[in-house]
Amino acid sequence: QKEVEQNSGPLSVPEGAIASLNCTYSDRVSQSFFWYRQYSGKSPELIMSIYSNGDKEDGRFTAQLNKASQYVSLLIRDSQPSDSATYLCAVPGGGADGLTFGKGTHLIIQP
Amino acid sequence: GAVVSQHPSRVICKSGTSVKIECRSLDFQATTMFWYRQFPKQSLMLMATSNEGSKATYEQGVEKDKFLINHASLTLSTLTVTSAHPEDSSFYICSASSGEQFFGPGTRLTVL
Repeated sequence: QKEVEQNSGPLSVPEGAIASLNCTYSDRVSQSFFWYRQYSGKSPELIMSIYSNGDKEDGRFTAQLNKASQYVSLLIRDSQPSDSATYLCAVPGGGADGLTFGKGTHLIIQP
Repeated sequence: GAVVSQHPSRVICKSGTSVKIECRSLDFQATTMFWYRQFPKQSLMLMATSNEGSKATYEQGVEKDKFLINHASLTLSTLTVTSAHPEDSSFYICSASSGEQFFGPGTRLTVL
């Protein structure tokens, strides 16, 4: 059974600062990793995917992967109040690559 | 990203009735779709993998006779909650895969 661990928060960050979200996973053979953003009452929205060690940048978002440490993180630069949401880390873990999700980190950007 | 729709977005039903939820991929063909369930303040849990033209694969602990899945075409999967009870009240979300998974907007089921 694959496990994905996240700190549930809430994580409170001032507007304009960098928000850092962390995730660890149990299965060493996992090859792909995903970050989703979920607003209250809505379904998840894909923010980033990462497959190789190192950093991947997309606009204000940077995903960092360290397979040796089984650790993946998401950095959000210049945080905005609209970034306030729950961020879910996910790895393929179910049948035909259905996703196993962490419990999510509740991020609050304070104006 | 790809667009996935779900219908209905919200349904309220009486205990003992059956409810059908549709999931459609609008701009691509999906041989595989997934059904998830999310209880309040919890994360998404994979229920089953829906395969076009074949039987669904259910995760451990999910009753296949209660949650009927049909994947009749490359763009449509349906989930039927049979004999629904209040404990089945949840947020049901489907996704379709084109390498990465794209989620539908979800269906909030309330069983009275």
